[in-house]
Amino acid sequence: ELKVEQNPLFLSMQEGKNYTIYCNYSTTSDRLYWYRQDPGKSLESLFVLLSNGAVKQEGRLMASLDTKARLSTLHITAAVHDLSATYFCAVEWEYGNKLVFGAGTILRVKS
Amino acid sequence: DSGVTQTPKHLITATGQRVTLRCSPRSGDLSVYWYQQSLDQGLQFLIQYYNGEERAKGNILERFSAQQFPDLHSELNLSSLELGDSALYFCASSVRQVPYNEQFFGPGTRLTVL
Repeated sequence: ELKVEQNPLFLSMQEGKNYTIYCNYSTTSDRLYWYRQDPGKSLESLFVLLSNGAVKQEGRLMASLDTKARLSTLHITAAVHDLSATYFCAVEWEYGNKLVFGAGTILRVKS
Repeated sequence: DSGVTQTPKHLITATGQRVTLRCSPRSGDLSVYWYQQSLDQGLQFLIQYYNGEERAKGNILERFSAQQFPDLHSELNLSSLELGDSALYFCASSVRQVPYNEQFFGPGTRLTVL
């Protein structure tokens, strides 16, 4: 059974600081997704990572995937308050089928 | 707005009752997925349909069932409801584009069982 672990589960940051969220998974997969969820809202797709060494960037967020280490990272650069949300990584289990989600990282950016 | 619609947004009901949640996928998407989000279990995959046929099952209780209709909309039926069924239920859809299967989530239905 595929297990996905995120850490930290809660992150309180000051505006302008950098930090990284880690996502480890237990079995081989080369398809990993990052989603953002605002309180009480739906999940918004942020990044799709499809191969070893994949790196994607959008604004202050950058995601990478190391399939050999079974590790993905979401790096936040110079955080701003608008980035406050819960971030989930999800690994695709059995191509075309379900996503297995991590527990989520609650990010609070303080001004 | 992902293009996936779900109704109703909120549902409040009593234990023992039965409810139906409805989902319309994005135009052109053949796959529909149902997920349950709760504080203690996190986001859990329930079931997947592809073009009307069940494709994969996850942690779905026997009291729950789903189907996908010819127009590709899907319904999730929850019966004999218990307090622990209170959760946010999401529907997602995808078109199964090679080489990846990005899923787009609807706004969710918040179910409260009293």
